[in-house]
Amino acid sequence: DAGVTQSPTHLIKTRGQQVTLRCSPKSGHDTVSWYQQALGQGPQFIFQYYEEEERQRGNFPDRFSGHQFPNYSSELNVNALLLGDSALYLCASSYITGEGQETQYFGPGTRLLVL
Amino acid sequence: QKEVEQDPGPLSVPEGAIVSLNCTYSNSAFQYFMWYRQYSRKGPELLMYTYSSGNKEDGRFTAQVDKSSKYISLFIRDSQPSDSATYLCAMSLNYGQNFVFGPGTRLSVLP
Repeated sequence: DAGVTQSPTHLIKTRGQQVTLRCSPKSGHDTVSWYQQALGQGPQFIFQYYEEEERQRGNFPDRFSGHQFPNYSSELNVNALLLGDSALYLCASSYITGEGQETQYFGPGTRLLVL
Repeated sequence: QKEVEQDPGPLSVPEGAIVSLNCTYSNSAFQYFMWYRQYSRKGPELLMYTYSSGNKEDGRFTAQVDKSSKYISLFIRDSQPSDSATYLCAMSLNYGQNFVFGPGTRLSVLP
C-alpha cells in the first residue's frame, strides 16, 4: 500500500513565478492538508481539503491556493513567489480511526527554492 | 508566547540511554497529541498518537500527556543511533482541526 506521495521532490523557481505542487493521499484517506516547513522550524498549517472543498485555512496569504480532485489527490499553487516561500512543502492525508479520531500521515515533501 | 514550545536541542545521549523529550503548550483546549520523528530532508513520520490525558506505550516509546500542566512527553528507552532525528510534537483541538506543531527537538544518539 503506497503511502502519501508528492511531486516533484525538488523545485527551483525565481521570484514572481508561480508553482504547482502535487499530492496523492494514502489509500483510504479522504482529507488532505498542506504544511510549510521552513528550515529548523516545525510545519505550519496552510490549508485542508475535504470533499473537494477548502475546510480550514491557516495564516497564509491568498497567493497560496489549492484544489482537491474527485480521487482525493490535491494541488498546492503559489503565485508571485517570494524568497521567503523557500521551504519544504508537506502534504498530509488523514482518516477517522476506529475510535472516531483522526490522525495524519505525511508525504516526503517538495523542497522549493526561490531565487 | 508561542502556542507550542519545545527545547530545540541538540540533545546528545549515548546509545542505550533513556531519552525524555518534552513539549509545553498554552491552549488548554487541545485534545489530540502526536509525536512525529523527522529524519533529515524527509517528511515527518508518525510515532505516537494519544487522546486527552494519560500514557500510551508502543515498544520502546512511551507518550505521556498531562493536560492539567499542559505538558506532554515522549520517552525513548534503549535509544539507538537510528533514533537520531528531529522529534516534533503536534496537537489539535478536535477532529478535522489543523495540527499545531512545536519547532522540534534534534536528538543525536552516539554509538
